[in-house]
Amino acid sequence: QKEVEQDPGPLSVPEGAIVSLNCTYSNSAFQYFMWYRQYSRKGPELLMYTYSSGNKEDGRFTAQVDKSSKYISLFIRDSQPSDSATYLCAMSRANFGNEKLTFGTGTRLTIIP
Amino acid sequence: EAGVVQSPRYKIIEKKQPVAFWCNPISGHNTLYWYLQNLGQGPELLIRYENEEAVDDSQLPKDRFSAERLKGVDSTLKIQPAELGDSAVYLCASSQALGGASDTQYFGPGTRLTVL
Repeated sequence: QKEVEQDPGPLSVPEGAIVSLNCTYSNSAFQYFMWYRQYSRKGPELLMYTYSSGNKEDGRFTAQVDKSSKYISLFIRDSQPSDSATYLCAMSRANFGNEKLTFGTGTRLTIIP
Repeated sequence: EAGVVQSPRYKIIEKKQPVAFWCNPISGHNTLYWYLQNLGQGPELLIRYENEEAVDDSQLPKDRFSAERLKGVDSTLKIQPAELGDSAVYLCASSQALGGASDTQYFGPGTRLTVL
């Protein structure tokens, strides 16, 4: 069993819809949780990070972490065609600047105009 | 500010041939990472450098893979000989690693390797 599980999709939603992306994990030592966005033939770029449990909002994006359930989510409001990409969750045990990141498989998202 | 630079962007070789990938991290970033990303999968760490020192190479297949980071700046990842299963995207990332939670790993565009 992988340490981080993520539904690979693909997921297609109409423009303007709310998108929910999720990951589960098994390693209780994970403390830092991140969401990366990866466009086709590009490297991943960091969207959001959170430390421990709780919510964090940044514009149309909201990240949630529930450590008791070992479950993290990313919500995208008012989705746009430019949000079409693969979304990767990632987590680490410590300060993620110099700590190994464990990634999910990524969810491929398409926003239909 | 320039991002992480990788070259080549694409490489096609025949099996058993050697291949090398180059990475130039963001200026001032002391930590450099090489990741492997298979199709439909998330990146997996191969090796992490802090300055010139490889501090985590536990996932690097040392029988055929090697890496170096001379002078603590640019890095090269080499495969010799390449096998069919090495076809993947090789990502380089860098971070400042100052010890705060805001440290971010910035990724390059990757080198897409195809082994025939």
